[in-house]
Amino acid sequence: KAGVTQTPRYLIKTRGQQVTLSCSPISGHRSVSWYQQTPGQGLQFLFEYFSETQRNKGNFPGRFSGRQFSNSRSEMNVSTLELGDSALYLCASSSPRGQGNGANVLTFGAGSRLTVL
Amino acid sequence: AQKVTQAQTEISVVEKEDVTLDCVYETRDTTYYLFWYKQPPSGELVFLIRRNSFDEQNEISGRYSWNFQKSTSSFNFTITASQVVDSAVYFCALSGNPRDNYGQNFVFGPGTRLSVLP
Repeated sequence: KAGVTQTPRYLIKTRGQQVTLSCSPISGHRSVSWYQQTPGQGLQFLFEYFSETQRNKGNFPGRFSGRQFSNSRSEMNVSTLELGDSALYLCASSSPRGQGNGANVLTFGAGSRLTVL
Repeated sequence: AQKVTQAQTEISVVEKEDVTLDCVYETRDTTYYLFWYKQPPSGELVFLIRRNSFDEQNEISGRYSWNFQKSTSSFNFTITASQVVDSAVYFCALSGNPRDNYGQNFVFGPGTRLSVLP
């Protein structure tokens, strides 16, 4: 079955602009998480969506937002871009498991590499 | 707070050598899950293994093996007879017990870049 699809794969923006990244999860996966990866900070959790609702949020400013649609596809938006937002943004989907059934395995997409000039 | 430490930033080995990647974690949870992911140059993180805190049995999968020691809070990963295709960044990750039907926050270590030279 198809994996997690992220678009666009690469993009270049300038400071002050905004950007929207898209993630299509594996069919049947209803949970989508977003991570930011930078050389200095490593992999950092941004937020997680399930059933169109944000369930968890990492420690990022309000410029970072996201949403999930009824088909489980998710988008994240970064407004007023700063140079430090240059990063690889990774989306991961997982299949919901009942409580007590163990931690979900995240399946990652190839990422969207954002460069802010 | 949960934390994952991978003290080795970069490792270089020659093909066919064995290599061990270290992972030390901190958590106050009694139930937790440990993971290893591989990130090749393409950028996509690839799941390798998941372990829960109650299962301390070592696991072997082909050339890969994992040593989970709760007493030292370590979950080390060994590649036997390394190959050039093993070159990647390897991440150890920790997750608490999911509290409900959906996912949970993962805490990733900083990663170890493995270079296998021909």
